[in-house]
Amino acid sequence: AQSVTQPDIHITVSEGASLELRCNYSYGATPYLFWYVQSPGQGLQLLLKYFSGDTLVQGIKGFEAEFKRSQSSFNLRKPSVHWSDAAEYFCAVGLSNDYKLSFGAGTTVTVRA
Amino acid sequence: IAGITQAPTSQILAAGRRMTLRCTQDMRHNAMYWYRQDLGLGLRLIHYSNTAGTTGKGEVPDGYSVSRANTDDFPLTLASAVPSQTSVYFCASSSEGGQPQHFGDGTRLSIL
Repeated sequence: AQSVTQPDIHITVSEGASLELRCNYSYGATPYLFWYVQSPGQGLQLLLKYFSGDTLVQGIKGFEAEFKRSQSSFNLRKPSVHWSDAAEYFCAVGLSNDYKLSFGAGTTVTVRA
Repeated sequence: IAGITQAPTSQILAAGRRMTLRCTQDMRHNAMYWYRQDLGLGLRLIHYSNTAGTTGKGEVPDGYSVSRANTDDFPLTLASAVPSQTSVYFCASSSEGGQPQHFGDGTRLSIL
């Protein structure tokens, strides 16, 4: 069965420190991969996407993610977090011939001063 | 500004009542979706529509119905609300399969 796993429910990081959020998927084919961010009381905003090509993709707000086929992973990183990065982050996976996306359960990021 | 508009923003509803959540997009996207978000469960797909005139069931369709009479609108109806349908509901759209989905700001629904 297809699945998306975000192993970390909650991460606390100091402002200025680096951040890495994990995402693992189980799909029969190479999927399309997305990271979304959700601020409190808001909808989801697309941070970045991977369809094909270069396995390191750059997104908005200084985020990047790396697709590793051998590990079925698509981890999100940011070199130096800002207090405004406190939010919930969702990894999502889809297929080119399917309109639907599967979402992970999300990782909540807290940023301490 | 192009995007998705959901209404109402929030609602408190008595169990057994009928409720329709509205969703309108102005991006001329072919596909639209309804999700519910519950703590610790992420987003779960309720129903979707690949194009006007067609709909499909998602992961958790029971108790919900949808229609897609035109490209822009995709209402979600709870025929007889139950407390387990208390959730935050998000409408989304995408231009085609595999493309990123764009989300509305959500409707917070409480069933008492």
